[in-house]
Amino acid sequence: DAKTTQPPSMDCAEGRAANLPCNHSTISGNEYVYWYRQIHSQGPQYIIHGLKNNETNEMASLIITEDRKSSTLILPHATLRDTAVYYCIVRAGLVGAQKLVFGQGTRLTINP
Amino acid sequence: DTEVTQTPKHLVMGMTNKKSLKCEQHMGHRAMYWYKQKAKKPPELMFVYSYEKLSINESVPSRFSPECPNSSLLNLHLHALQPEDSALYLCASSQTPLIQTSSGANVLTFGAGSRLTVL
Repeated sequence: DAKTTQPPSMDCAEGRAANLPCNHSTISGNEYVYWYRQIHSQGPQYIIHGLKNNETNEMASLIITEDRKSSTLILPHATLRDTAVYYCIVRAGLVGAQKLVFGQGTRLTINP
Repeated sequence: DTEVTQTPKHLVMGMTNKKSLKCEQHMGHRAMYWYKQKAKKPPELMFVYSYEKLSINESVPSRFSPECPNSSLLNLHLHALQPEDSALYLCASSQTPLIQTSSGANVLTFGAGSRLTVL
């Protein structure tokens, strides 16, 4: 699986958009970008995933650059409950990738 | 039911004890996972079960013994643990083993974890 690089921590004001970057410069053509988050003392929670196109669901939006070497997770109106560690993970969608491997993640703090 | 249930939530055991962690899901998922998470670190994969068979063991010490009695249940048997094994143990499941997925839509659903303290 391609390695990802995320800032260790970020702050965002409540009600503002939180933009979490992820670099995955060694990503290959069949590898998806996944985002999970882990609120303190809970299990990780799936947020969104994408391959090439931008994606949006009820939780967040995922913007993937055209060269696919980086992506941004956007929480459009952050609330205090969005304070968590956010993990960007790249995993092949085809045979060969049996595992989901977590990197260090970004600790996002939403401030009132 | 869209949950993965882990019991107990907290467990304290001595180094000579034998205990088990239990994980249950009723989503019809055919792959189940154990992760270990130390404080302020990301989860680390321990074991993967695919269709009730062990498919991945990430070189975990034998004092951890997984078991998958049926497609809904996953156990982690603990024996002769060390204090450094104290951690949050997370169970997860996915609809099918990740290796079989070509669409990327196969995601993991995690339980809340069992916090283990070894004295």
